Amino acid sequence: GQNIDQPTEMTATEGAIVQINCTYQTSGFNGLFWYQQHAGEAPTFLSYNVLDGLEEKGRFSSFLSRSKGYSYLLLKELQMKDSASYLCAVRGWNTNAGKSTFGDGTTLTVKP
Amino acid sequence: EAQVTQNPRYLITVTGKKLTVTCSQNMNHEYMSWYRQDPGLGLRQIYYSMNVEVTDKGDVPEGYKVSRKEKRNFPLILESPSPNQTSLYFCASSPPEGSEQFFGPGTRLTVL
Repeated sequence: GQNIDQPTEMTATEGAIVQINCTYQTSGFNGLFWYQQHAGEAPTFLSYNVLDGLEEKGRFSSFLSRSKGYSYLLLKELQMKDSASYLCAVRGWNTNAGKSTFGDGTTLTVKP
Repeated sequence: EAQVTQNPRYLITVTGKKLTVTCSQNMNHEYMSWYRQDPGLGLRQIYYSMNVEVTDKGDVPEGYKVSRKEKRNFPLILESPSPNQTSLYFCASSPPEGSEQFFGPGTRLTVL
């Protein structure tokens, strides 16, 4: 099975940097994803890590350590529009490649 | 425009009245999934499909059925809806392994 943990809520200030952590336990691993979801809307893709290390994409970066079952999403130069829920998800492997497990999400509030 | 569509977007129904939520994608994706999302929780996978005529249970399949007769369509069927199936439902599609999922706009279902 798969189990994912991430903090429920975080608050940060506009212009600052925030790191959202995610730990996972899985019996089969085919990549870790981060999605952003604004209230009442569909999730949208932010990043994907399948190998250890840091992936950078503009203001957003994501890190993965497979040996530690750990990932984080780093948001720089925070803007008010970054207030949203951030979902960590892992994908199954091989015959379970269509299976995805999501964490409960981290609600980020950006304050002026 | 590449997209995933769901219908209806909003539905209020009564206990026991069979309903179908349609999902269609125009990106020729092999993988499709259905999720439900309840307040304060992340996405929980109901069913997924890795190709035509191939479907598998996710984490919360009880009370739901799906079919995949064509690549583009993946309807979700509630044979006898109950109030505990009141939720926000998302359909998603993706290419095979390791790729991001594209989500539909969501269907808000209320069962009285």
